[in-house]
Formats: sequence, structure tokens, C-alpha cells
Amino acid sequence: DQQVKQNSPSLSVQEGRISILNCDYTNSMFDYFLWYKKYPAEGPTFLISISSIKDKNEDGRFTVFLNKSAKHLSLHIVPSQPGDSAVYFCAALSPGGGADGLTFGKGTHLIIQP
Amino acid sequence: DTGVSQDPRHKITKRGQNVTFRCDPISEHNRLYWYRQTLGQGPEFLTYFQNEAQLEKSRLLSDRFSAERPKGSFSTLEIQRTEQGDSAMYLCASSFVRLIQETQYFGPGTRLLVL
Repeated sequence: DQQVKQNSPSLSVQEGRISILNCDYTNSMFDYFLWYKKYPAEGPTFLISISSIKDKNEDGRFTVFLNKSAKHLSLHIVPSQPGDSAVYFCAALSPGGGADGLTFGKGTHLIIQP
Repeated sequence: DTGVSQDPRHKITKRGQNVTFRCDPISEHNRLYWYRQTLGQGPEFLTYFQNEAQLEKSRLLSDRFSAERPKGSFSTLEIQRTEQGDSAMYLCASSFVRLIQETQYFGPGTRLLVL
């Protein structure tokens, strides 16, 4: 049973527009959420994270929103750039962190069109 | 470069052979994780170390898999009697646990192909 779900396998956005990537989770014990970006044949690169005590975290062009009641988070990229084309993974961590490692979604392939 | 490194980057082996992968974490990090990623999936947790102690293993880690982290520095992941189903990307990540929440930083991965 997938505890972290990214229901859009792919997303195409025009350069300069906003990219919105969505993620849903089912385990209410998750208390820390992270987004990773992955290029082919490379490991995931950490982008941004958010604690469950917050509802928004911003870092440059990247903003993550968390809606705990809906068990939903989203990553906004504004403006989208060609280099943002990659697979984006949503990941979640339980309290104490290590016991189960990070739980990942299946990823969303973001394609930025010129 | 002070990131997580993994060696080799690629490995092709025949079914039944043993393989060993190495991970060097970020030097001040005290936790080290191994994940496996197959096509179309996100990384799946295999095991982790706090310093040199292996504290948790996933049910994905069969008896053919063993991991070590001698002296709490680099780690090795060995797969014995490889099977075609072991073909995957093996990812290592490290973190420094100071507060409850931690950020894991990943290496480039080792892509294993079992023929």
C-alpha cells in the first residue's frame, strides 16, 4: 500500500509559468516532508523540506505548501526554467526518522517546454 | 566535492555471482542509509546505520544482502548469489541527526544489471 502518492506521472509546463507538483500521504505519523529532484542516471538531489508544524516553506523559486488536514502537499516552482525538467519525488519521514527511512512517492516527470 | 560518493557507478554481473558496492558518506554525517530504486518507482528503504551500528533492516533485505559500516565511516552493501530481480539502482544517503527532523543527502547511485 502506497503511503505517499504522486498521482501525476508527468506534467508539462511552459517556460516561465508556474509548475505545481502534488503529493498525498496516508500515514498521519509522518511529520517531515521533503522534495527531491532527480536527473537520469543520478541520485536524488534535495530541494526543499517542510515540518508538519508549518504550512509553507519558501526557498527562492521553490515553495512547498502543506495541508495537514487533507494530508496533501504541493511544490510550486515559479518561474519554471528548462533546467527544472527532471523527475520530482515527494518523500516523508516518521518521527525518529531512521527506523523506516524515507517513504517516497513514485515521482512526477516535469517537462518544461520552451 | 564533499558530497556522498558511491563506487562503482555501474556493475554488470552474471546471475549467481556476488557483488559489493561501496558508499562514502558526507564526513560529519552520523547516519547512513541504503535504498533501492527500480524503474518507475521511488527509492525504497533497505537499511540504515547510526555510526557503526545497523539499526534497522527492511523486509526487502533478504538473507542474500548484507551491509556493514566498519568504524562508522564508509559502508558496503554485498549481494550474494545475485538474481535478475536484483537489477536496480542502489542508492546511498547520509544525514546528520541533531534534531528530530533530518535531511538525507543522496549519492549518485550504483546501477546493477544482473544477466
